[in-house]
Amino acid sequence: GDQVEQSPSALSLHEGTGSALRCNFTTTMRAVQWFRKNSRGSLINLFYLASGTKENGRLKSAFDSKERYSTLHIRDAQLEDSGTYFCAAHDTNAYKVIFGKGTHLHVLP
Amino acid sequence: GALVYQYPRRTICKSGTSMRMECQAVGFQATSVAWYRQSPQKTFELIALSTVNSAIKYEQNFTQEKFPISHPNLSFSSMTVLNAYLEDRGLYLCGATGGSDYTFGSGTRLLVI
Repeated sequence: GDQVEQSPSALSLHEGTGSALRCNFTTTMRAVQWFRKNSRGSLINLFYLASGTKENGRLKSAFDSKERYSTLHIRDAQLEDSGTYFCAAHDTNAYKVIFGKGTHLHVLP
Repeated sequence: GALVYQYPRRTICKSGTSMRMECQAVGFQATSVAWYRQSPQKTFELIALSTVNSAIKYEQNFTQEKFPISHPNLSFSSMTVLNAYLEDRGLYLCGATGGSDYTFGSGTRLLVI
């Protein structure tokens, strides 16, 4: 099975509301990154966490290595937040990074 | 800040021919470079991980004979897709790290005709 399970695969939010994306890991990971794919197809780094939580504006992420999950919370969603979000888990061995399948977020007016 | 330039952004090659893509790390030392492929409707699959002064490690279903990689220094890496066929089409992505977080290039979209 997949080592990184990302959910939901798709999400629709009305402007001003919020929700959470989640990645579960089948094994212990040493860190996680969250990315957003922009309109040009580039992966924009949102967060890198080796533990705990980080917050940046309307985004907040948490990573629990022991419980094997990470979350990305979006609050007060704006139209420009629409896009595809990926989590990428850093394997404990070497520098291998494993991607989730992505969440397609659609923010509605 | 850390940047990774990847080129070309997109390329078209005839079936059976080869194409090479390159990545340049700027602002940090790329100790490790990982190459991924995102096939249509799929996530990013790791092709191989290259760490300077170590052997390049290929994932299952990917081989050096098909995807030779060069990582000659701490700022540059290239990968070639040899004998490209339809199933090789997709977005190829390089990511580089100096030890903690990865920075990714913008990808090379490969079309095979």
